Amino acid sequence: QKEVEQDPGPLSVPEGAIVSLNCTYSNSAFQYFMWYRQYSRKGPELLMYTYSSGNKEDGRFTAQVDKSSKYISLFIRDSQPSDSATYLCAMSGGTGANSKLTFGKGITLSVRP
Amino acid sequence: DSGVTQTPKHLITATGQRVTLRCSPRSGDLSVYWYQQSLDQGLQFLIQYYNGEERAKGNILERFSAQQFPDLHSELNLSSLELGDSALYFCASSVGRGGIDEQYFGPGTRLTVT
Repeated sequence: QKEVEQDPGPLSVPEGAIVSLNCTYSNSAFQYFMWYRQYSRKGPELLMYTYSSGNKEDGRFTAQVDKSSKYISLFIRDSQPSDSATYLCAMSGGTGANSKLTFGKGITLSVRP
Repeated sequence: DSGVTQTPKHLITATGQRVTLRCSPRSGDLSVYWYQQSLDQGLQFLIQYYNGEERAKGNILERFSAQQFPDLHSELNLSSLELGDSALYFCASSVGRGGIDEQYFGPGTRLTVT
């Protein structure tokens, strides 16, 4: 079993839809949870970061973490064509040898105008 | 633009050859990370350097090596290349030692091994 599993996609939605992206993980040592967005032919960029269970909101984006279920989600409200990209979840144990990021394989989202 | 630069953008080489990828971190960042991204494996952490010293190691093959120089730029050396090494190689940098530090990714080097 991979440490981080992400819904494979691709995902296509109409403009204005609510998008839900999900990852599960198996390593209980993960403490920090991130979502990266990667546009075609670009490097990933950090979108959201959280370290506790619960919700964190930033504009149209909400990151949700459920440590008891080892499940994280990213919700995108009022999706826009500019949100079309690959979204990767990433996790880290925090410090020292556990500081490395472990990524999901990513899901490609397409928002249709 | 993240401020991280990588050269070259594209590299085409033959099996058995050796290549060097170069990364310049953002001004002020002390950590450099190398990642490999392929369709089947996704984005995988290879190695991290902090202020010239190796700090963390991931799924890096013995044929691969890296170093960080006193001016903080880093090089990733790939030798005895195989077809399966074809991938995007990203460099990222962060201010501190890692963990919760935000990592800023460069645009990547696309390596094609023929």
